[in-house]
Amino acid sequence: GNSVTQMEGPVTLSEEAFLTINCTYTATGYPSLFWYVQYPGEGLQLLLKATKADDKGSNKGFEATYRKETTSFHLEKGSVQVSDSAVYFCALSLNTGTASKLTFGTGTRLQVTL
Amino acid sequence: DGGITQSPKYLFRKEGQNVTLSCEQNLNHDAMYWYRQDPGQGLRLIYYSQIVNDFQKGDIAEGYSVSREKKESFPLTVTSAQKNPTAFYLCATRDATGRRTDTQYFGPGTRLTVL
Repeated sequence: GNSVTQMEGPVTLSEEAFLTINCTYTATGYPSLFWYVQYPGEGLQLLLKATKADDKGSNKGFEATYRKETTSFHLEKGSVQVSDSAVYFCALSLNTGTASKLTFGTGTRLQVTL
Repeated sequence: DGGITQSPKYLFRKEGQNVTLSCEQNLNHDAMYWYRQDPGQGLRLIYYSQIVNDFQKGDIAEGYSVSREKKESFPLTVTSAQKNPTAFYLCATRDATGRRTDTQYFGPGTRLTVL
């Protein structure tokens, strides 16, 4: 079946540090890949996405590249801020018919300190 | 103001009671989804609906029921048969018309606590 594996958290960084959150996937077919962010007590917000191999998604200084050869979609940011503290979810979607169901990783909590 | 509304934000219920969680959207999206989130876990799909008057079970449908009588609304009922209902419930929508997209957009969630 389809699955997403994320690095376990929490990840604690100082402000302006470099961030990497690893994400690998298993899927039958060619999925779309997503990163969502969840702030405390809120729903999920789409952070970025990529729909085919070698695509790079980017938003708010975050980037992730769809690597088919390593089945990965690692999230990176060059300089994190305290306001980036949140839980980050990697997810994939396969367009089986028109359902487009999402499969999520377990989430990685990021804490950024001054 | 376009968006997805979930109400209430916090909900308490006694064991043995059914409770209905509301999800309303004015994005004109065809597809709607319900997910459950437990601490330290990813989201798990409960039910989804691609068009009005049609819905399918997700991975953890037991103890839940839904209806889709209007495009804008997709209420979720947590029945007394759900063994462990305390969780954070999230509704999502997707625009399934025209140029197909697989991006889902999420509401703010309802936290259900069974006392």
